[in-house]
Amino acid sequence: AQTVTQSQPEMSVQEAETVTLSCTYDTSENNYYLFWYKQPPSRQMILVIRQEAYKQQNATENRFSVNFQKAAKSFSLKISDSQLGDTAMYFCAFTPSYNNNDMRFGAGTRLTVKP
Amino acid sequence: DVKVTQSSRYLVKRTGEKVFLECVQDMDHENMFWYRQDPGLGLRLIYFSYDVKMKEKGDIPEGYSVSREKKERFSLILESASTNQTSMYLCASSSGQGLREQYFGPGTRLTVT
Repeated sequence: AQTVTQSQPEMSVQEAETVTLSCTYDTSENNYYLFWYKQPPSRQMILVIRQEAYKQQNATENRFSVNFQKAAKSFSLKISDSQLGDTAMYFCAFTPSYNNNDMRFGAGTRLTVKP
Repeated sequence: DVKVTQSSRYLVKRTGEKVFLECVQDMDHENMFWYRQDPGLGLRLIYFSYDVKMKEKGDIPEGYSVSREKKERFSLILESASTNQTSMYLCASSSGQGLREQYFGPGTRLTVT
């Protein structure tokens, strides 16, 4: 069974600085997708960034980038130039390519951006 | 933009009541999901549906049932609510093809007293 681990329950960062959220996963599959979702306080969960396992290049979306290490089964999220609006719960998620109905989520990391 | 809506943001029910949580998506997605979100546990799948009238159990289906009579609507039913079902419930939908991402509703915070 696939599992996703986020080892940092809470983190904080000063506005304008950079922070990295960690995620590791366990799978025997070779083809899969990885995601970072953001859930702001009292607001809807939205997709931040996705990575397809067969792509070696790390995904980037504006200030958000990932460090995907397939051999190590690691998928960390880097947020550059942190903004107050980045304050949220962040969930790492995994789904195998053969079954997109089986998405596994980590326990989440609560990130607080301080002014 | 994909829109997933849920019938209530907050709900308070008594033990033993039958509870209905409704979810509607407007993107003609084949797949719909119900998750339960608890602190320290992340999201756990209760049920999902891959087509009208089709459903599959997730990791924690006990005490819940679902209904999907129309493609855009997926209902979660608590037949007899219990205090251990106090939680945040998230609905999501996804296309059967493509990049596999799920789109989430705003959530329903259910309190059972």
